[in-house]
Amino acid sequence: EVQLVESGGGLVQPGGSLRLSCAAPGFIFSSDWMSWVRQAPGKGLEWVANIKKDGSEKYYVDSVKGRFTVSRDNARNSMYLQMNSLRAEDTAVYYCARLDYDAPVRAFDSWGQGTLVIVSS
Amino acid sequence: DIVMTQTPLSSAVTLGQPASISCRSSQSLVHSNGNTYLSWLHQRPGQPPRLLIYRVSHRFSGVPDRFSGSGAGTEFTLKISRVEAEDVGVYYCMQGTQWWTFGQGTKVEVK
Repeated sequence: EVQLVESGGGLVQPGGSLRLSCAAPGFIFSSDWMSWVRQAPGKGLEWVANIKKDGSEKYYVDSVKGRFTVSRDNARNSMYLQMNSLRAEDTAVYYCARLDYDAPVRAFDSWGQGTLVIVSS
Repeated sequence: DIVMTQTPLSSAVTLGQPASISCRSSQSLVHSNGNTYLSWLHQRPGQPPRLLIYRVSHRFSGVPDRFSGSGAGTEFTLKISRVEAEDVGVYYCMQGTQWWTFGQGTKVEVK
C-alpha cells in the first residue's frame, strides 16, 4: 500500500511563506506523477499542482500561479510545495496525492492524511 | 475551466437501500484520445478522500461491487446498490480531461 505523509503546515501571517513536504516511503516514487490537492475548512476539494515523474513538467491552478512552486527529490522519495505571498484564502488542509497520469486513469489514487495551513494575522 | 455540478448536495438513505448521485460537467469530458476521465471519490469524516471509480465506470482496487458508475459526455451517475454504514460521508465527482476539477460534493448520511 502506498503511504504518503505530509508535514510543514502551521499558522502563518498573510504575505508570509511556508514549505510543505510529502514523504513517500515504500514505493517507486520516481515512477509516478505527484500532486497537491487542498480543502478549505468545511469546503470541497481543489487541485493545486502537479509534477511529472522527473520534475521536468509542473502545472498549477490559476489561483496559485506565481506564488506556489512544486518540486521533488526522487532520491529522498519526497515532494515539496513552496508557498509564498500567502493569502487568507489559501487556508486549507493540503493533501499530497499520487496521480495515476500515464495509465488510463488520470485520477488521484493514493492520498496522505493532509497538513493544515492557516493564513491569519 | 470545466465546472462540475453534483445533485443532490445531501441525501439521507436507509441502510440496505440504494442511493444515487448525479454529476454534470459544463463541457464534454471526452478527451482527444477517446477516453472519458470522470472519477468518483469518497471522503469519510476526518479522513482523506479515496478513489472509488475512474474513467466513468471502472472500480478502483478494493472497492466493493455495490458501487457502480455510468454515464457519458456531460452526464454521469454513481450508484450504491445497498448502502452500508461505512458508506456515509461526502462523495465527489472529478474530471481529469482538462486539468482537474471537482464537484461540490454530496453528503450521504443514514436515516
